[in-house]
Amino acid sequence: RKEVEQDPGPFNVPEGATVAFNCTYSNSASQSFFWYRQDCRKEPKLLMSVYSSGNEDGRFTAQLNRASQYISLLIRDSKLSDSATYLCVVRSGGYQKVTFGTGTKLQVIP
Amino acid sequence: NAGVTQTPKFQVLKTGQSMTLQCAQDMNHEYMSWYRQDPGMGLRLIHYSVGAGITDQGEVPNGYNVSRSTTEDFPLRLLSAAPSQTSVYFCASSSFTGTTEAFFGQGTRLTVV
Repeated sequence: RKEVEQDPGPFNVPEGATVAFNCTYSNSASQSFFWYRQDCRKEPKLLMSVYSSGNEDGRFTAQLNRASQYISLLIRDSKLSDSATYLCVVRSGGYQKVTFGTGTKLQVIP
Repeated sequence: NAGVTQTPKFQVLKTGQSMTLQCAQDMNHEYMSWYRQDPGMGLRLIHYSVGAGITDQGEVPNGYNVSRSTTEDFPLRLLSAAPSQTSVYFCASSSFTGTTEAFFGQGTRLTVV
């Protein structure tokens, strides 16, 4: 089983739609969780950290479920500019062992 | 406001050639790392460093060497390039404090023929 698993998609959604991605992780000792965004042929950039109580940043909401070992990302009112690949990132260990998921591709359609 | 600077952006090598990918950061981050990204495989850690003089292997270290003589620089050396090393390489740095957000360089697209 991979340490971090994501549905690769693609998720094709119309503008204005709400879309959700899940990511599961296998290490129960994982400490920190993040969502990164990667545009085509560009470097990954931090979208948001994921906190235990859940957190929101504008149209984006991130949730963590430690019992079931998954994190989620909800995007409301999708924009064309949201089209990208979303990477789930999990950190564990004393030396910042960071594991990236393979990413979920989102295509927002006009 | 450079952040992480990675060079070159593109490179074509012949099998057996060696080269060094350069990575420099100006944020005084302790932690630096190299990843390769292949279709369907996601980002895989090659080597990482937690400070000057300290390096360790990641998930896919074979065929690569690193050194960290200064906080700022973390070059990646391909010893004898193979077609299997055709990939996109990213350097990243982060601090041990705060959100531990990782900042990435723009990537190097390497093709080994």
